Amino acid sequence: GQQVMQIPQYQHVQEGEDFTTYCNSSTTLSNIQWYKQRPGGHPVFLIQLVKSGEVKKQKRLTFQFGEAKKNSSLHITATQTTDVGTYFCAGPGEYGNKLVFGAGTILRVKS
Amino acid sequence: ETGVTQTPRHLVMGMTNKKSLKCEQHLGHNAMYWYKQSAKKPLELMFVYNFKEQTENNSVPSRFSPECPNSSHLFLHLHTLQPEDSALYLCASSLGGQGDGSPLHFGNGTRLTVT
Repeated sequence: GQQVMQIPQYQHVQEGEDFTTYCNSSTTLSNIQWYKQRPGGHPVFLIQLVKSGEVKKQKRLTFQFGEAKKNSSLHITATQTTDVGTYFCAGPGEYGNKLVFGAGTILRVKS
Repeated sequence: ETGVTQTPRHLVMGMTNKKSLKCEQHLGHNAMYWYKQSAKKPLELMFVYNFKEQTENNSVPSRFSPECPNSSHLFLHLHTLQPEDSALYLCASSLGGQGDGSPLHFGNGTRLTVT
């Protein structure tokens, strides 16, 4: 079945450093979504990318969708302690009827 | 503040107990979901309801029984659970189905511990 892989699994950065998480799908995706889950919280929708090669920005967060629509990345510039949490990507399953989530990347920021 | 409300926030139950989780969404969405989140595992989709009709049962054991009386309310009835069922159970809703890319809005979850 379709798989959505995320790397790295964990990342510890010093406050002010940049952070990137990568998402790779075994199949072409019609769209990809990103979610953030703070420690002890619930996943919160961040953004959706639809077009090949699309780049979207939200303040210090930059989201990219690959040209082949099989991979995506989330880059955070100059991390802050408020960025800690788990970042998930999610894409439609192979039959297009449900979201398949990646395992997530846990970000820890040292101040 | 989430538009999806889950109760209780925490639940401890024995293996012979029967309990229910409740979810209510105030967003006017048409689809509701139950997810299970265990440590070091991806989010697992359990059940999907579209317009109160169950459209997905992701091979979930019968000790989990969902109920969707209307588009705004969703329940998960639990009975004779096992310790490995301990997890965070998340309710979510979306305007359209997951196939059309509708984002999910999650509730705060119920932290379930089975003793």
